Amino acid sequence: NAGVTQTPKFQVLKTGQSMTLQCAQDMNHEYMSWYRQDPGMGLRLIHYSVGAGITDQGEVPNGYNVSRSTTEDFPLRLLSAAPSQTSVYFCASSSLAGGPYNEQFFGPGTRLTVL
Amino acid sequence: ELKVEQNPLFLSMQEGKNYTIYCNYSTTSDRLYWYRQDPGKSLESLFVLLSNGAVKQEGRLMASLDTKARLSTLHITAAVHDLSATYFCAVFGNQFYFGTGTSLTVIP
Repeated sequence: NAGVTQTPKFQVLKTGQSMTLQCAQDMNHEYMSWYRQDPGMGLRLIHYSVGAGITDQGEVPNGYNVSRSTTEDFPLRLLSAAPSQTSVYFCASSSLAGGPYNEQFFGPGTRLTVL
Repeated sequence: ELKVEQNPLFLSMQEGKNYTIYCNYSTTSDRLYWYRQDPGKSLESLFVLLSNGAVKQEGRLMASLDTKARLSTLHITAAVHDLSATYFCAVFGNQFYFGTGTSLTVIP
């Protein structure tokens, strides 16, 4: 199993550009989520999904869109990048089997810089 | 909104010493998670605590949960350099909420 994979690992954007961060998991997990990590602020939830076709907002959703067309993939779209979106982005997944919200498995992260 | 507070935020300790990291949260939850993050790396799950009074141990780390006090502790016994990392607790309310992390440095 590859676990949770993310691409790209690094990205530099100019203000106003759009891009998609890719996330995939091969563990057949129902729950997938996107976080951003900023110094001194821990991880903050952007969006999450409990299954294909179902998404919901987290703590900091503004400026980001998600969709979940398959169980495996959960891309995060930045619509018009801003310097405030400079951060490290982590995707995570979790099984809902045997009860909700078991431990999450994290991808390696994408380091995004917006100039 | 559920708040998760960790203390201390920074911890420098000598090898062989014991110490405890505290995680307080603001509303009722019976699911508490501990993660470890090495510099520049992703997060690795350490413990999942699912009920009041739960205690889990792995090597020199032991985690416990008191849901009535809304408190979890991560106890480090006889610290070694390899334990240097940032430790996060997380709580599930209607979604996952993370603490700001405790940066632990173990000095030889």
